[in-house]
Amino acid sequence: GDSVTQMEGPVTLSEEAFLTINCTYTATGYPSLFWYVQYPGEGLQLLLKATKADDKGSNKGFEATYRKETTSFHLEKGSVQVSDSAVYFCALVNTGGFKTIFGAGTRLFVKA
Amino acid sequence: EAGVTQFPSHSVIEKGQTVTLRCDPISGHDNLYWYRRVMGKEIKFLLHFVKESKQDESGMPNNRFLAERTGGTYSTLKVQPAELEDSGVYFCASSQAPRTSTSTDTQYFGPGTRLTVL
Repeated sequence: GDSVTQMEGPVTLSEEAFLTINCTYTATGYPSLFWYVQYPGEGLQLLLKATKADDKGSNKGFEATYRKETTSFHLEKGSVQVSDSAVYFCALVNTGGFKTIFGAGTRLFVKA
Repeated sequence: EAGVTQFPSHSVIEKGQTVTLRCDPISGHDNLYWYRRVMGKEIKFLLHFVKESKQDESGMPNNRFLAERTGGTYSTLKVQPAELEDSGVYFCASSQAPRTSTSTDTQYFGPGTRLTVL
């Protein structure tokens, strides 16, 4: 069945460092891909999404490109801030489907 | 526009007790979903309503879990009797349009209810 694998955390970075959180997926068909973020004490928020191959999703300085050839959707940010400390979830929904399939989440700590 | 709301935010109960979680979706959203994250693992699908009808409840762990959606508005998820392994964060999500064979719409998540069973 469909699945999402993302790098284990926690990831600890200093402020202004470059961030990459790896995400790969297995799916039949042509899924839409998502990154969700959960800040401390809050719910899940949609960070960005991409609905077809080679699409780039971006928001708040974060980017991820839908790579069908490598079945990947890695999250990147050029310069992280302390306020980016959160848990990040990679996820997919297959075409015409409704279940969101999540990865296990990666906790990011950014220190000043 | 109000987002998805969930109540309570946190519930602590003893094994064998009953707990009812509530979710209010975004107004006008026909699709409502329940998910659960247990022990820091991945978030897993529990079930999906379209209006008041259960479209898919394949993710419900067992018959101690009962979900309802009265009149196609808010939904409740009851756990009776609760067991230790039911501890986790229960998320509700809603989306606007029924999925078609060529589209995927975006689900909006609530803040979750953290359930602790002692």
